[in-house]
Amino acid sequence: QKEVEQNSGPLSVPEGAIASLNCTYSDRGSQSFFWYRQYSGKSPELIMFIYSNGDKEDGRFTAQLNKASQYVSLLIRDSQPSDSATYLCAVIGDSNYQLIWGAGTKLIIKP
Amino acid sequence: SQTIHQWPATLVQPVGSPLSLECTVEGTSNPNLYWYRQAAGRGLQLLFYSIGIGQISSEVPQNLSASRPQDRQFILSSKKLLLSDSGFYLCAWEPGQQETQYFGPGTRLLVL
Repeated sequence: QKEVEQNSGPLSVPEGAIASLNCTYSDRGSQSFFWYRQYSGKSPELIMFIYSNGDKEDGRFTAQLNKASQYVSLLIRDSQPSDSATYLCAVIGDSNYQLIWGAGTKLIIKP
Repeated sequence: SQTIHQWPATLVQPVGSPLSLECTVEGTSNPNLYWYRQAAGRGLQLLFYSIGIGQISSEVPQNLSASRPQDRQFILSSKKLLLSDSGFYLCAWEPGQQETQYFGPGTRLLVL
């Protein structure tokens, strides 16, 4: 069974610091990787996607992909209290092109 | 721009009652459509997806069904709700395979 694993947290980070969220996946053939943010009681919203090995930056967010080690991470620089949310990692598998979701990591930014 | 709507926003239903949740997408044509369920504190469980009118794939056998009567309309139904059907139901669309999914606001269902 194809899986995506995330530490459920909560991960507590002081305001202004870098928050690092990690995700591992089991399908070595996975090609597309997504990070979504979900505020409590709300639906997920896309933060970033990444397809190639290496780093991809968008504002305060950086996604890092290492296909050899089968992990993808999300860094949030200068963390703000508004970044407090659950972050979901999703991976498109190689076999059926469906998104496989992690259970999410709850991030708390302390003022 | 594209928008996705879901209704109702919240619903409280007794066990054994029927269910109909609706999702519509505006500003695009022939989207792939998805129904997910999220239990409290859990990840997303894919229930159904559709690549076109009348084309429904079921991921989890259960007492739920889905239909796509129009290109941009996706309906989730049940004839008899169970307590375990409680959860946050999310509809999502994507412009094509292996592309980003965008979520509607969700319907929170409580079965009592």
